[in-house]
Amino acid sequence: EPEVTQTPSHQVTQMGQEVILRCVPISNHLYFYWYRQILGQKVEFLVSFYNNEISEKSEIFDDQFSVERPDGSNFTLKIRSTKLEDSAMYFCASNRGVNYEQYFGPGTRLTVT
Amino acid sequence: KQEVTQIPAALSVPEGENLVLNCSFTDSAIYNLQWFRQDPGKGLTSLLLIQSSQREQTSGRLNASLDKSSGRSTLYIAASQPGDSATYLCAGGSYNTDKLIFGTGTRLQVFP
Repeated sequence: EPEVTQTPSHQVTQMGQEVILRCVPISNHLYFYWYRQILGQKVEFLVSFYNNEISEKSEIFDDQFSVERPDGSNFTLKIRSTKLEDSAMYFCASNRGVNYEQYFGPGTRLTVT
Repeated sequence: KQEVTQIPAALSVPEGENLVLNCSFTDSAIYNLQWFRQDPGKGLTSLLLIQSSQREQTSGRLNASLDKSSGRSTLYIAASQPGDSATYLCAGGSYNTDKLIFGTGTRLQVFP
């Protein structure tokens, strides 16, 4: 059964460094998402992406964040200058269209020290 | 602004019990409601998706219902097993938006 994959599973970085989190969505899906979950808190929406552009973003998704689909399979989230409060589990998701079932990857745990 | 809450926050039951998890949402313009399972430190596994035009969905021992007028969804788990132990999350999707709004989850423990 097709699934969303994410790499790395765990990333440790120093404050101020840039990180790139990678995702491979399900191949015939058209919409891609990033969510995050700070330890002990709710899963929060960050951004959605369709047709090579951002379709919606949350207040969390400021100028330090960017997304890209560099090729036909990968979908990336870049954090330019990490802060301690960026430490969280980051989930990638994809679906066939708006309001269809979203499928989530296993997550990347980002630890900023 | 859509807000989603889940009650109870935690539940511990003996194996074999039938149980109900509750999810409430504030915006009746909900388009769909998705239930997920999350094991500790793991990703989200989609269990069921209910569209606003549906009243319930079933998958194996799971049954989810959606009542837009009361702003509630329930997840019914029949004949619970220790392997059902996990956190269960509900998330609502609204018209004209891509995002899901998540609840805080119900942490379920089923003991033998």
